[in-house]
Amino acid sequence: GQSLEQPSEVTAVEGAIVQINCTYQTSGFYGLSWYQQHDGGAPTFLSYNALDGLEETGRFSSFLSRSDSYGYLLLQELQMKDSASYFCAVRPGGGGNKLTFGTGTQLKVEL
Amino acid sequence: DTAVSQTPKYLVTQMGNDKSIKCEQNLGHDTMYWYKQDSKKFLKIMFSYNNKELIINETVPNRFSPKSPDKAHLNLHINSLELGDSAVYFCASSQAPMGLAGGYNEQFFGPGTRLTVL
Repeated sequence: GQSLEQPSEVTAVEGAIVQINCTYQTSGFYGLSWYQQHDGGAPTFLSYNALDGLEETGRFSSFLSRSDSYGYLLLQELQMKDSASYFCAVRPGGGGNKLTFGTGTQLKVEL
Repeated sequence: DTAVSQTPKYLVTQMGNDKSIKCEQNLGHDTMYWYKQDSKKFLKIMFSYNNKELIINETVPNRFSPKSPDKAHLNLHINSLELGDSAVYFCASSQAPMGLAGGYNEQFFGPGTRLTVL
């Protein structure tokens, strides 16, 4: 089976940098995704890492270390609109496009 | 220009009833999914169809039955509703998975259907 661990809540101030960690245990692994979900909204895709290293997309970056079964999402220049839940999700082995989601991290951005 | 749509948005019903949720995508994707998100925001896949064929069927009570009349639609029928079925159900779609180790295709989620069983 698969299990993913994330901090339940993170608080930061506007303009700051925040890192949301994700550790996983899976029986197979093809990659790690990150999704953002605002309250009452749908999850939306942020990034995907299949290989070790850092992927940068604007203010958001995502990192993966396959040997450590660890990844993180880095949010820079935080804005109030970044207040949301952030989910890491593993694409395990076995084919298909199946995702197993973590428990989510509630990010609160304060003034 | 809605990408993935679901109806209804809210569904309130009594225990024991049967209900359906409909999902449609206009993205031209071959693969569609149903997810359940509980009150603690835990998001879990239930089913996935690729071009009308069931490819993922997680451990879900057989009271839940997905139906895909064509690759743009994936409906979810739930029989004999129970209190524990109360949750938000999300439909999603993506390009078809590209083999066992193919590139990842992001999933596009619908707005969700909040089901409340009384």
